[in-house]
Amino acid sequence: KAGVTQTPRYLIKTRGQQVTLSCSPISGHRSVSWYQQTPGQGLQFLFEYFSETQRNKGNFPGRFSGRQFSNSRSEMNVSTLELGDSALYLCASRRTGDDQPQHFGDGTRLSIL
Amino acid sequence: GQQVMQIPQYQHVQEGEDFTTYCNSSTTLSNIQWYKQRPGGHPVFLIQLVKSGEVKKQKRLTFQFGEAKKNSSLHITATQTTDVGTYFCAGHGEYGNKLVFGAGTILRVKS
Repeated sequence: KAGVTQTPRYLIKTRGQQVTLSCSPISGHRSVSWYQQTPGQGLQFLFEYFSETQRNKGNFPGRFSGRQFSNSRSEMNVSTLELGDSALYLCASRRTGDDQPQHFGDGTRLSIL
Repeated sequence: GQQVMQIPQYQHVQEGEDFTTYCNSSTTLSNIQWYKQRPGGHPVFLIQLVKSGEVKKQKRLTFQFGEAKKNSSLHITATQTTDVGTYFCAGHGEYGNKLVFGAGTILRVKS
């Protein structure tokens, strides 16, 4: 069974640009969550989507947005990039139910110059 | 909002020594999950605890959930070099369905 797939793996952008990251969940998983990981900050929750609807949202500015498609694939968009947005962005999917574990992808490493 | 604190932030042990990381929530949790992230890798689910006072073991790893369901711990007996990585706890609040992660504990094992 294929795991969570994130593309691209690495991305370099400059300040002010925008970026779109993609995540394909494990087949059958309808919940997709996004996290930002920076050294010393752990995993900061961005948002969770379930059946194309945003179910939860973290404390990030409106520059961070996402969506989920009918096939459960999800995209995350960051507009007007700032240097502080440099991070590893992790996507995780899980089966329906809050007691289900998260299955993480390998992440997209975003570097802002 | 719900916060999950994890200590220590970093621990360096000699191979064979024990290791413990602690997780404390500002609110009562409905469950707590533990994940391990190897250097350069992504977090991998280890275990979930649900019941008050629950204790679970996986070989050399022992997981506990506090009686008040606000704290948890992970104890590794006789660490090995394969145990290196960052250990995260994550909890669901009683009434919310957002999974909140602790900042993680980085474990380094010296052989």
